[in-house]
Amino acid sequence: DSGVTQTPKHLITATGQRVTLRCSPRSGDLSVYWYQQSLDQGLQFLIQYYNGEERAKGNILERFSAQQFPDLHSELNLSSLELGDSALYFCASSGFGETQYFGPGTRLLVL
Amino acid sequence: SQQGEEDPQALSIQEGENATMNCSYKTSINNLQWYRQNSGRGLVHLILIRSNEREKHSGRLRVTLDTSKKSSSLLITASRAADTASYFCATVDTSGTYKYIFGTGTRLKVLA
Repeated sequence: DSGVTQTPKHLITATGQRVTLRCSPRSGDLSVYWYQQSLDQGLQFLIQYYNGEERAKGNILERFSAQQFPDLHSELNLSSLELGDSALYFCASSGFGETQYFGPGTRLLVL
Repeated sequence: SQQGEEDPQALSIQEGENATMNCSYKTSINNLQWYRQNSGRGLVHLILIRSNEREKHSGRLRVTLDTSKKSSSLLITASRAADTASYFCATVDTSGTYKYIFGTGTRLKVLA
């Protein structure tokens, strides 16, 4: 158990809908990262937050947004969902070192 | 694409044999990390090697880094069925974007 929690574990929704994925980092970790993993795209870095501020941005679509709250938990919002957004979404956290601790993921299926 | 490349894409070996997987990257880095992922689960950190290191060991793992060739290798010695997983290298682009870049992964299957 990495200490990173993600909810929900599974999510099934329809095209055009909006969903919110939630992540709680390990106790004391200030950085949160979001990744998308699909069969054809591999593991893609979406965005990183550090202590509430956006730190680095990857291949995050404009339809997606994220934020990190004062209690350090983070949410990833996915809107106007398309079939191609079906994937595993991982959250990871890190402290002062560069090792990332990954959560179990949220499996999103867009029908 | 900035994504790192790993080879082989898939590797099948017998228990007790050594497994070697390679990673190439494209950006400037401070360090390179290797992660393991069991099917459909979160990634687990294995080892980190800094850009000024050439080789590092951790238990049955040996990692090498050649910054001139922008490549790294992960060797798992005396493999076990429990080592069956996908293995990814990961870097941070320190040339400006600070994006995290994961390789395409090597799927290792260790046969008992």
